[in-house]
Amino acid sequence: EAAVTQSPRNKVAVTGGKVTLSCNQTNNHNNMYWYRQDTGHGLRLIHYSYGAGSTEKGDIPDGYKASRPSQENFSLILELATPSQTSVYFCASGGTGDQDTQYFGPGTRLLVL
Amino acid sequence: GEQVEQRPPHLSVREGDSAVITCTYTDPNSYYFFWYKQEPGASLQLLMKVFSSTEINEGQGFTVLLNKKDTRLSLNLTAAHPGDSAAYFCAVSSSSNTNKVVFGTGTRLQVLP
Repeated sequence: EAAVTQSPRNKVAVTGGKVTLSCNQTNNHNNMYWYRQDTGHGLRLIHYSYGAGSTEKGDIPDGYKASRPSQENFSLILELATPSQTSVYFCASGGTGDQDTQYFGPGTRLLVL
Repeated sequence: GEQVEQRPPHLSVREGDSAVITCTYTDPNSYYFFWYKQEPGASLQLLMKVFSSTEINEGQGFTVLLNKKDTRLSLNLTAAHPGDSAAYFCAVSSSSNTNKVVFGTGTRLQVLP
């Protein structure tokens, strides 16, 4: 069973629309992360969370919000999607007792037209 | 904050040859280091994690070297085979916030038969 799952796997959105990307983990990890992956930039951290109810800004938070309603779920929200947010988004979970190791979901490919 | 430079961005080798990917990082107090492998269209899989207390780590078909003096981390694939064709990313745990890691920009390795 995959420990980190993401939905949807593919999404096409229109400029100005709202997009919600969801992530679920069964690792019982405290920490969860949202990254985007673009050619030439590797993975860049958008938001992360230390546990239910907490969200922290990562390195590129502008234009994104995050929500962590429970230990298992972490959402990334694009209130007003723009074409520059076209990317592949990865969710990861990590435990503070696991030497900061992060385990990744399968990714969501988002296209904003 | 921590910055990680990864080289080369692209690498092509013949089957049976070795392949070396190098990352340099800026924070000499960084303690945890990771290598991830990403096959085309797939997510990131943890290849190896190393700690600053160990300079040489060996896996199946590869060796990871950590040079703390030069703040350099390298992945050496010995006798590469086509199944090694993938993108490889290093990641360094931030000493100021061990819940975060900084990723290199990736190396796309192609192993030719």
